[in-house]
Amino acid sequence: GQQLNQSPQSMFIQEGEDVSMNCTSSSIFNTWLWYKQDPGEGPVLLIALYKAGELTSNGRLTAQFGITRKDSFLNISASIPSDVGIYFCAGQSGNTGKLIFGQGTTLQVKP
Amino acid sequence: DSGVTQTPKHLITATGQRVTLRCSPRSGDLSVYWYQQSLDQGLQFLIQYYNGEERAKGNILERFSAQQFPDLHSELNLSSLELGDSALYFCASSVALGRSGNTIYFGEGSWLTVV
Repeated sequence: GQQLNQSPQSMFIQEGEDVSMNCTSSSIFNTWLWYKQDPGEGPVLLIALYKAGELTSNGRLTAQFGITRKDSFLNISASIPSDVGIYFCAGQSGNTGKLIFGQGTTLQVKP
Repeated sequence: DSGVTQTPKHLITATGQRVTLRCSPRSGDLSVYWYQQSLDQGLQFLIQYYNGEERAKGNILERFSAQQFPDLHSELNLSSLELGDSALYFCASSVALGRSGNTIYFGEGSWLTVV
């Protein structure tokens, strides 16, 4: 199936460090979403981006909708142990709610 | 808690069998989506219903079917199960179809193991 290119695939960082991950696509999207998934749980929405160039923050999280509408990045500042999990980007286009997901970035934080 | 309820949480069944996964969307949400998550394919969109009608279809196998009932709950039916159907199946819901600003919330998933 169709997927976005999300990188890096995994990260192992020290507590307090900043983290950056991104997604790229060959297709244009109208909406970019970032989700976090903990083991045994469903994806939880972190940030939603609706306009090209939009920069949105949610606490220590900041995400941007690329100007070309084909990419997005997520930054996490001053990471803490509870940031551990799998982060997914998702793109949405058209007039349905169908989401195309990236492969996920597994984040591990060392206390 | 996203407000999307899925049952059962875990299910183990044999190849060739048929199972039904159930989803109750968030209160007020008219749109329901089904996604499959497996290790090799990641999160894949299966199908979307809006107010009882099918609105979008993804890579859903012919052995799979879904419906949304008048009370807006949805069921995903998986038949002639194969080992490769083992996966986490998520239901998600949103208020509207897919216009900008339409937030999609996911349930906790139904873990299906086919043996």
